[in-house]
Amino acid sequence: AQTVTQSQPEMSVQEAETVTLSCTYDTSESNYYLFWYKQPPSRQMILVIRQEAYKQQNATENRFSVNFQKAAKSFSLKISDSQLGDTAMYFCAFMNTGNQFYFGTGTSLTVIP
Amino acid sequence: DGGITQSPKYLFRKEGQNVTLSCEQNLNHDAMYWYRQDPGQGLRLIYYSQIVNDFQKGDIAEGYSVSREKKESFPLTVTSAQKNPTAFYLCASSMYGARTYEQYFGPGTRLTVT
Repeated sequence: AQTVTQSQPEMSVQEAETVTLSCTYDTSESNYYLFWYKQPPSRQMILVIRQEAYKQQNATENRFSVNFQKAAKSFSLKISDSQLGDTAMYFCAFMNTGNQFYFGTGTSLTVIP
Repeated sequence: DGGITQSPKYLFRKEGQNVTLSCEQNLNHDAMYWYRQDPGQGLRLIYYSQIVNDFQKGDIAEGYSVSREKKESFPLTVTSAQKNPTAFYLCASSMYGARTYEQYFGPGTRLTVT
């Protein structure tokens, strides 16, 4: 079974600064997909960024980027120029070729004004 | 607008009663999922369905039941056998064979059983 580990239950960052959230996963598959989801206080899950395992290039979406290290099975999220609206729970997720999803336990991020 | 709807947003029930949570999507997605979210435990998969009239148990299926009679609908019944049903429930869907594979989520239902 695949597992996803987020080792930072809580983090904080000053507004406009950069923060990195960690995620590691365990799988024996070679082709899979990785995601970061954001859950603000409204509790609506929002996709932040996705990465296909077969792509070596790290995905970026505006202020959000990932550092995907396939050999190390690591998938960290970097948030640049942090904004107050970035305050949320962030979940790392893994999807296998059978379309099954596995989520980490989340990192609660607080952006401090 | 395409999306996933869950109703109601808050649901209260007495212990011993079955309760059904609604999930509807108009995204034409093949797969649908039910998750339970508790503090500090992330999302745990209850049931999922990849096609109509077929579904599989997830990691915590005991005390829950589902049906998938229509592509658009995937209701979840929380039975009286579920030991600790109070939680936040999220429904999601995804598309097979699409260029993007992410799950789309509904707004969730907060169930409180007393």
